[in-house]
Amino acid sequence: QVQLKESGPGLVQPSRTLSLTCTVSGFSLTSYGVSWVRQPPGKGLEWIAAIWSGGSTDYNSALKSRLSISRDTSKSQVLLKMNSLQTEDTAMYFCARDTIAAGYFDYWGQGVMVTVSS
Amino acid sequence: DIQMTQSPASLSASLGETVTIECLASEDIYDILAWYQQKPGKSPQLLIYDASSLHTGVPSRFSGSGSGTQYSLKINSLQPEDFASYYCQNGLSAPRTFGAGTKLELK
Repeated sequence: QVQLKESGPGLVQPSRTLSLTCTVSGFSLTSYGVSWVRQPPGKGLEWIAAIWSGGSTDYNSALKSRLSISRDTSKSQVLLKMNSLQTEDTAMYFCARDTIAAGYFDYWGQGVMVTVSS
Repeated sequence: DIQMTQSPASLSASLGETVTIECLASEDIYDILAWYQQKPGKSPQLLIYDASSLHTGVPSRFSGSGSGTQYSLKINSLQPEDFASYYCQNGLSAPRTFGAGTKLELK
């Protein structure tokens, strides 16, 4: 069955770099894309970035300068890096299966909470 | 970027009622619109894709409609498990964008 699982540090200091990993199973990263979506506490959903089945990438225009998304197909993992973290980046971070042609997220991970604090 | 304006922000309703949530896109998204349900502490779950197609396992009391820039999600005969937050999402292209959400509460 399709599964996605996020992992990463729960606490990051301001100005540091966040590294998150999404490990997938039940599908191939060469057949489907994966997006990252975040949700600050008590707020709505914000799309962050995607890596598509062919390896191309897209980013939230407001965050683009701070983001990098990549993948390791041999490990079935998608990696997200965000630098220059601020307290406003405190959020639950989800990865979700995406397809550029379909346009929707049909499977989601459980999420990982990231708190930016000194 | 395509902006998604969702209304209302909150909605209070009783069991058995029918409710409608609206989503307005800043430009034509050609029915590439999805709706999600999210319960507290859980990840969002896909309800509707392509504006009106029901995702696998979603009860038939949920339905989606619309075209162009205007879309809606209708929930018939509200059940206790339907009280949650709902989000629309533009999927026409990247960047993906979400509506601000609607919190559906029990009256």
